[in-house]
Amino acid sequence: DAMVIQNPRYQVTQFGKPVTLSCSQTLNHNVMYWYQQKSSQAPKLLFHYYDKDFNNEADTPDNFQSRRPNTSFCFLDIRSPGLGDAAMYLCATSRTLREGNTEAFFGQGTRLTVV
Amino acid sequence: AQSVTQPDIHITVSEGASLELRCNYSYGATPYLFWYVQSPGQGLQLLLKYFSGDTLVQGIKGFEAEFKRSQSSFNLRKPSVHWSDAAEYFCAVLNTGFQKLVFGTGTRLLVSP
Repeated sequence: DAMVIQNPRYQVTQFGKPVTLSCSQTLNHNVMYWYQQKSSQAPKLLFHYYDKDFNNEADTPDNFQSRRPNTSFCFLDIRSPGLGDAAMYLCATSRTLREGNTEAFFGQGTRLTVV
Repeated sequence: AQSVTQPDIHITVSEGASLELRCNYSYGATPYLFWYVQSPGQGLQLLLKYFSGDTLVQGIKGFEAEFKRSQSSFNLRKPSVHWSDAAEYFCAVLNTGFQKLVFGTGTRLLVSP
């Protein structure tokens, strides 16, 4: 059974039109990550939630925002997508270190196309 | 800040031959290290992890990795590669202070008949 679920798997959006990607988890993990992965590149961390703290990477563009209304759900909002934002977006969850076994579980990703 | 280097962008191995993928990390404290595999268009799957203890760790699909603190390395190995192992392999290190997981640039494995 899928434990980290990303919807949709494929998203096409227009240049400049706001888009939201979603991630849900059934693992009750406190840590959630959003990564951007462009073709043939490593996943690049955009944000992560560690317990109740939100951590924004210094080089994450202001165009990207995130919301986490509860433990199970997390959203990535792209306010005005540009062609350069076309990528695979990966969500991952993990336990905190003090809870032990802190491996990250990944969803299948959402491939975003900007037209 | 932590970082991970995977010096090989591509590696081609004959089916049945042994494999070693290199990973070097930079982190001030005791590292938590991981290897993930990614097939095209898919998410990442954990192969194995090192937190502490025995420096030779076993993972899924016949993979193993050895942590060498003196060399700041965590190389992935497999004694006999199968065609289904062709994929992208990522090494990662966890910043334990911020629980931030950072990936290396990846190594694409090609398996020849």
